[in-house]
Amino acid sequence: AQSVTQLGSHVSVSEGALVLLRCNYSSSVPPYLFWYVQYPNQGLQLLLKYTSAATLVKGINGFEAEFKKSETSFHLTKPSAHMRDAAEYFCAVSNTNAGKSTFGDGTTLTVKP
Amino acid sequence: EAGVAQSPRYKIIEKRQSVAFWCNPISGHATLYWYQQILGQGPKLLIQFQNNGVVDDSQLPKDRFSAERLKGVDSTLKIQPAKLEDSAVYLCASSQGLADTYNEQFFGPGTRLTVL
Repeated sequence: AQSVTQLGSHVSVSEGALVLLRCNYSSSVPPYLFWYVQYPNQGLQLLLKYTSAATLVKGINGFEAEFKKSETSFHLTKPSAHMRDAAEYFCAVSNTNAGKSTFGDGTTLTVKP
Repeated sequence: EAGVAQSPRYKIIEKRQSVAFWCNPISGHATLYWYQQILGQGPKLLIQFQNNGVVDDSQLPKDRFSAERLKGVDSTLKIQPAKLEDSAVYLCASSQGLADTYNEQFFGPGTRLTVL
């Protein structure tokens, strides 16, 4: 069984500030982990993925995430927030033996000018 | 390369009515997924197809939901009869490889269903 917990359903930062979105996972086998972004009325877009290679993963739009097995975490960060980063972000876990993903409930990121 | 297409984008129906959603995956993608995304929650997998066969439908409420992918390409998801709690966005995704290995999923824009 696998599950994802995203801590904080809403995060608000000022433009230019650090973005930190938290994700903890549970998986009975080595996981694949993902972060997706969803803009209003759009589907999910993959930001980055961890597939058992480097533990620090760099994605699109300046985002990165670090896989920490000891903490069962995969937190998403960006050094400097832009207004265009305002969206909903989902963390997901996939069993390496199956394609389907289990998603967290999402974190809405608000960026204040 | 064209993305995953879904229609309609929006649908409003009354409870106990029927509704159908259509998805056309990326050309050549073997695996197709239907997710239900209730407001304030993450997507929940309803059903997963590999070509025209069902791989996982354990979360599909089979008394009212049905889905098919007859020719292994496009797919339809039907709800009959609809309940108020079915109000959600229905997302279709596809991936290139087989269902038993990891492959990146590509998502369509979704169909927003409102049941009154």
